[in-house]
Amino acid sequence: QSALTQPRSVSGSPGQSVTISCAGTSSDVGGYNYVSWYQQHPGRAPKVMIYDVTKRPSGVPDRFSGSKSGNTASLAISGLQADDEADYYCCSYAGTYWVFGGGTKLTVL
Amino acid sequence: EVQLVESGGGLEQPGGSLRLSCTASGFTFSSYEMNWVRQAPGKGLEWVSYISTSGTTIFYADSVKGRFTVSRDNAKSSLYLQVNSLRAEDTAIYYCARGFPYDLYFDYWGQGTLVTVSS
Repeated sequence: QSALTQPRSVSGSPGQSVTISCAGTSSDVGGYNYVSWYQQHPGRAPKVMIYDVTKRPSGVPDRFSGSKSGNTASLAISGLQADDEADYYCCSYAGTYWVFGGGTKLTVL
Repeated sequence: EVQLVESGGGLEQPGGSLRLSCTASGFTFSSYEMNWVRQAPGKGLEWVSYISTSGTTIFYADSVKGRFTVSRDNAKSSLYLQVNSLRAEDTAIYYCARGFPYDLYFDYWGQGTLVTVSS
């Protein structure tokens, strides 16, 4: 049950795009199309932004998109806004457990 | 409106026990799988446990297996986590999270309850 690997931090200016990677193994990310992404602002509970690798829940802007290639998933955010500044976590189902990434702090410059 | 409200956290000594609760409202609790996810201070999210709608299927993270026990009472719309043999590394905010049917992700989260393990 090893954590998925994410960059510790990414940054971008308002209006720009960023991508956050999430590296796993064939036992988790690569083995299932059940990767989800969560946004967490300080002091708040996580909020799902992407599920099933590419799907957006109702209410999540289409500036957020997900993808996967092999054992690595990615979250792309376009048209950065100040409120996007938060921690982002990927998560993958792995058969009898779920595993999260270590989290990525997104800074909007 | 879906609401999940955790309670039962607090300060406990190493080796001690606590029972965390999560009370659900705004949806048919018995139709949803539930999970516990924790977050140590300043750290990332860690999935802890899963329980199926009927309670017959249960999974645990290796880090808590044998020490934590998840259960549910559908009549009371409540989820529980019995945490025993507490260690300093169990210090965290414990969130209950609803599982979205079939898609295996967490669609609603509570605000969490803080467990602090310290002598």
